[in-house]
Parts: sequence; C-alpha cells; structure tokens
Amino acid sequence: KAGVTQTPRYLIKTRGQQVTLSCSPISGHRSVSWYQQTPGQGLQFLFEYFSETQRNKGNFPGRFSGRQFSNSRSEMNVSTLELGDSALYLCASSLLPEGVSPLHFGNGTRLTVT
Amino acid sequence: QQQVKQSPQSLIVQKGGIPIINCAYENTAFDYFPWYQQFPGKGPALLIAIRPDVSEKKEGRFTISFNKSAKQFSLHIMDSQPGDSATYFCAATPRSGTYKYIFGTGTRLKVLA
Repeated sequence: KAGVTQTPRYLIKTRGQQVTLSCSPISGHRSVSWYQQTPGQGLQFLFEYFSETQRNKGNFPGRFSGRQFSNSRSEMNVSTLELGDSALYLCASSLLPEGVSPLHFGNGTRLTVT
Repeated sequence: QQQVKQSPQSLIVQKGGIPIINCAYENTAFDYFPWYQQFPGKGPALLIAIRPDVSEKKEGRFTISFNKSAKQFSLHIMDSQPGDSATYFCAATPRSGTYKYIFGTGTRLKVLA
C-alpha cells in the first residue's frame, strides 16, 4: 500500500508570492492533517480535514488555508509569503474519523521563501 | 495548557546505552501519547504509543513509562544502536474529537558506535 505522498518535495518562492502544496493520503484514509515543522518549534498543527470539511484549525494566520477533495486528496495554500513561512510542511493521514488512529506522515514539502 | 514540554533538546550516548527522553503535559483531556521517530529527509513515523490506563508499554527495545499523577511520560531506548540516531518527538491528543496532535519540540539523539 502506498504511503502518504506530498508534492513537490522542494519549493523556492519569493516573499509576497503564493504557494500550493499537495497531499495524497493512504488509500482508504479520509482524515488529512497538515503540520508546519521548523527547527526549535517542532511540529505545529495547521488544520485537519475529514470528508472535505475542515474540522479543526491551528493558530496560524488566514494566509494559510486548505481544502480536501472528494477523493480525500488535500491541498494547502499559503498566500503573501513571508520569510518566516520557510519550513517543512508535513501532511498526515489517518484511517478513522475520530477516536485515536495513528497519524501516517508523508516526507514533507520543504518551502524556502527568499 | 496546550503545550507538551520535551527534554532534553539533544542527547549523545554510546552504543548500548539507554537514552531517556522526557515529556510533560498539563491538559488533562489528553489521553493518547504517541512517540514519533524522524530521520533526516523523512517524515515522522509512529514508534510506540500509550494510553494513561497503563504505566508502561514495551515494543522491542522501546519502552514508554507513564506517570498519570505527575502528567509526565518518557521514552527509553534499550541497548541503543547507531541506527537509532534520529529526532524523537512526543505528542499528545485527546482520544475523541479531531486529530489535533500537540507535539513536543523534539530530541535529537546521536548514538555513537
């Protein structure tokens, strides 16, 4: 079974631009979460989707948005990029709609903002 | 109250040693505590997890100890190997509801050959 796939692996953008990151969950997984990973801050929760609905959102500005499609694939968008948005963005999928099911992470998209 | 505090930030041990990584939380609604292992260039992978109804869980060389009254839990790696060199994250989440995991800031472990 294929794991969580994130594309692209690397992105370099200029301050003020916008970016879209893509995530394909494990087949059958309907919950998709996004995390931002930076040195010293660990993993910070961005948002979580289930059945195309955003169920929870972290403490990030409105420039960060996401969506989920009917096939469970998800995208996140960051508009008006700032230097501080440089990070590894991780997508994770889970099998169950609620309760506890392990998070399965992709290898991330490394975003560099110059 | 949403934080999970992890220590130490980095750790170096000799092969065969027993590195211990500690985490503490405040939110009593947390009741699922996983540990993730991350190698460079890879996403975190679930290593082992525990729920507060048990005080210890072992999987191979990895053991979680859990102290519910102190709101602390720790990861022990027995007979550590150079291949265990990675970054380890503890996390916590409520059992019900959405998958909003709160992660510690990570511990970079290096096991010397």
